[in-house]
Amino acid sequence: DAKTTQPPSMDCAEGRAANLPCNHSTISGNEYVYWYRQIHSQGPQYIIHGLKNNETNEMASLIITEDRKSSTLILPHATLRDTAVYYCIVRPFLGSARQLTFGSGTQLTVLP
Amino acid sequence: DSGVTQTPKHLITATGQRVTLRCSPRSGDLSVYWYQQSLDQGLQFLIQYYNGEERAKGNILERFSAQQFPDLHSELNLSSLELGDSALYFCASSVTGGAAGELFFGEGSRLTVL
Repeated sequence: DAKTTQPPSMDCAEGRAANLPCNHSTISGNEYVYWYRQIHSQGPQYIIHGLKNNETNEMASLIITEDRKSSTLILPHATLRDTAVYYCIVRPFLGSARQLTFGSGTQLTVLP
Repeated sequence: DSGVTQTPKHLITATGQRVTLRCSPRSGDLSVYWYQQSLDQGLQFLIQYYNGEERAKGNILERFSAQQFPDLHSELNLSSLELGDSALYFCASSVTGGAAGELFFGEGSRLTVL
């Protein structure tokens, strides 16, 4: 399974865009990039996933580089409630649950 | 609200005891997943059930067991509890068995072993 590398922490001003990077240089052709977040001690929350095209939903945008070795999760207008740990995961679309592994993630702190 | 319900929210017990955690998945979801989150281990996958059958197994201790019932709710049984079992236990559910898309997580059960 591909491994991911994320910065341990980031700050962002409220109202500004938060750009969270993720490196996954060993990603395989059938592996998707998933993003989840966990607000302090709550259950993780799915945000978005993608294969190679950029994706957008009501929560965020996912930008995947052309070589698929890295991606960026963008929260367009961060609010204080977006303060959370953000996890980047790569796994096959129909892979085993064992492959949905959460690493250390990035602690995003949105500052007022 | 994810639609996944976990009970109890908090549980305090002593070493050597046995507890049962309960999870009701979202309506229509056939898969249930159990995760353990402790301070020093992060979020660890324990086990998955799909429509009553065990589908995938992670780092689940032999002292722990789970099952999924015909109404699709699931229980995680933890026995011979040790101090190190103190953690948040999350249940998640999804429609498919392959964990294809998004998992919906409950709010967790916080277990404290004294």
